[in-house]
Amino acid sequence: NAGVTQTPKFQVLKTGQSMTLQCAQDMNHEYMSWYRQDPGMGLRLIHYSVGAGITDQGEVPNGYNVSRSTTEDFPLRLLSAAPSQTSVYFCASSYTTAGNPYEQYFGPGTRLTVT
Amino acid sequence: GDSVTQMEGPVTLSEEAFLTINCTYTATGYPSLFWYVQYPGEGLQLLLKATKADDKGSNKGFEATYRKETTSFHLEKGSVQVSDSAVYFCALSANAGKSTFGDGTTLTVKP
Repeated sequence: NAGVTQTPKFQVLKTGQSMTLQCAQDMNHEYMSWYRQDPGMGLRLIHYSVGAGITDQGEVPNGYNVSRSTTEDFPLRLLSAAPSQTSVYFCASSYTTAGNPYEQYFGPGTRLTVT
Repeated sequence: GDSVTQMEGPVTLSEEAFLTINCTYTATGYPSLFWYVQYPGEGLQLLLKATKADDKGSNKGFEATYRKETTSFHLEKGSVQVSDSAVYFCALSANAGKSTFGDGTTLTVKP
């Protein structure tokens, strides 16, 4: 299993540009989520999904869109990039079975710079 | 809402020193608790977990006990190594697909 994969690893955008960060998992996990990591602020939840076709907002959703058409893929779209979106973005997946404590499996991250 | 408060860093220790990183939480219901570790340039990976009160999670010499009465989940290791240098995150999860993280504590171990 490749686990959770993310592309690209690095990206530089100009203010106002749009782009999609890709995330895929091959573990058949029901749940997927996007976080951003900023210095000294831990990880903050952007959007999450509890299954194909179902998404919801997290703590910091403004400026981002998501969709989940398949179990495997959960792309994050930046509609009009702003310097405040400069961050490291992590995708994660998880699953539930009886007694499973919802641990997250993380991808390697995408480092985004908006100039 | 749910929140996690971690001991502020950075923490610098000599090799073989004892490590404690404090973590307290606020949550409704009965969350699961986790410690994740992040090495430079990498994503987070699970270090240990506990699902109910008085559970002890352990891995690679690290331990943490779920204390419901003090809402704490402190991370400890008896003798740290240079290879333990990383950022450590305390987290809780009460709903599948969502976790709440602390701000992270950077640990540097010097030979």
